[in-house]
Amino acid sequence: GENVEQHPSTLSVQEGDSAVIKCTYSDSASNYFPWYKQELGKRPQLIIDIRSNVGEKKDQRIAVTLNKTAKHFSLHITETQPEDSAVYFCAVIQGAQKLVFGQGTRLTINP
Amino acid sequence: DVKVTQSSRYLVKRTGEKVFLECVQDMDHENMFWYRQDPGLGLRLIYFSYDVKMKEKGDIPEGYSVSREKKERFSLILESASTNQTSMYLCASNKGAAPTYNEQFFGPGTRLTVL
Repeated sequence: GENVEQHPSTLSVQEGDSAVIKCTYSDSASNYFPWYKQELGKRPQLIIDIRSNVGEKKDQRIAVTLNKTAKHFSLHITETQPEDSAVYFCAVIQGAQKLVFGQGTRLTINP
Repeated sequence: DVKVTQSSRYLVKRTGEKVFLECVQDMDHENMFWYRQDPGLGLRLIYFSYDVKMKEKGDIPEGYSVSREKKERFSLILESASTNQTSMYLCASNKGAAPTYNEQFFGPGTRLTVL
């Protein structure tokens, strides 16, 4: 089955700096890669996703890049703000509807 | 606005008890999922269902069963709760089938403690 590794497990950055979280996967047939954000005490919510026919996707301060050859994808957050503090999960689709999640990254934005 | 609800936010049970966790979605989604969330392990899929009365095992189905008698409702059952099932349980749902993949919407979670 699919194996997803997410790094780092914790990340602390100064407000205004950038944050990068990386995930690697094992199944070269995977073609959908979402990122979820979970704020403290709340449910995970989709923030951005990318499909295998593109290499990069941006939405305001967040972007995701995909390298299918190397089987890794990354979440980039620029100009970080306190409200970006949360746990971020990457995921990879396996089969038709099943998502396999990474272990999560706890991002802390320091004022 | 999609709404996924779970029957309890917090639950405390004794070892050996039978436990039911309920999930309801109001957006006519075909697919429903049960995950458990543990620190450092991410979200792990227990079971999912792509239609009424249909179920598929996820990555960690041992000790759990599910029921989907109606499209909007998906139940997770712990036949005989054990302490290693203490965890946060998250339900999710999404619409449609392959090849298009649609966003999963999560419920608020149930924190289950088994004593």
